[in-house]
Amino acid sequence: GAGVSQSPSNKVTEKGKDVELRCDPISGHTALYWYRQSLGQGLEFLIYFQGNSAPDKSGLPSDRFSAERTGGSVSTLTIQRTQQEDSAVYLCASRRISQGAQKTEAFFGQGTRLTVV
Amino acid sequence: GDSVTQMEGPVTLSEEAFLTINCTYTATGYPSLFWYVQYPGEGLQLLLKATKADDKGSNKGFEATYRKETTSFHLEKGSVQVSDSAVYFCALIYGNNRLAFGKGNQVVVIP
Repeated sequence: GAGVSQSPSNKVTEKGKDVELRCDPISGHTALYWYRQSLGQGLEFLIYFQGNSAPDKSGLPSDRFSAERTGGSVSTLTIQRTQQEDSAVYLCASRRISQGAQKTEAFFGQGTRLTVV
Repeated sequence: GDSVTQMEGPVTLSEEAFLTINCTYTATGYPSLFWYVQYPGEGLQLLLKATKADDKGSNKGFEATYRKETTSFHLEKGSVQVSDSAVYFCALIYGNNRLAFGKGNQVVVIP
């Protein structure tokens, strides 16, 4: 597609359930990022994938969070045993990695609004 | 590590007023700098960018100049409109392709 696509756009789940959030990046973008944005807060980095390299998982807040990227394209963020504090908007972004020193911008999806009740 | 600092608090101003949002950064090497805008209920959109020192990014009447000597990338617009009400994020991308964002500033323009 023309942009980064995330699904679902909204998800309401019961506390303790597992959820999967999907991100479809722009074709040809090898870098993919997940961020979390809580109400009225800034962007919290979660995880970064680049090509076939090992992902940078340093932002994942607990072992209930995991993400994978299959075939270098679609990514899934999984939250197990959801808690109310997981309620937030989860944003995905992708970038084309340039060879030169000047860095290209990231393109964001519309986000998935997760509500844990 | 590399980071971005934005001025604290929301910004409220009248239509046609001058807008400045301060952004400073800490980085090793030469990051690329960006301003993103988030309109209510939407994702982040790139507003403008600058990839080397002294570059000026501009879009929709907004401008920001990459100042390496002061490590700043302040956003300015000479005459804001109600439609500019949004959250503005300053960001940088550095050597290992990590994105660093400021905390964002809510801008409210009153008619």
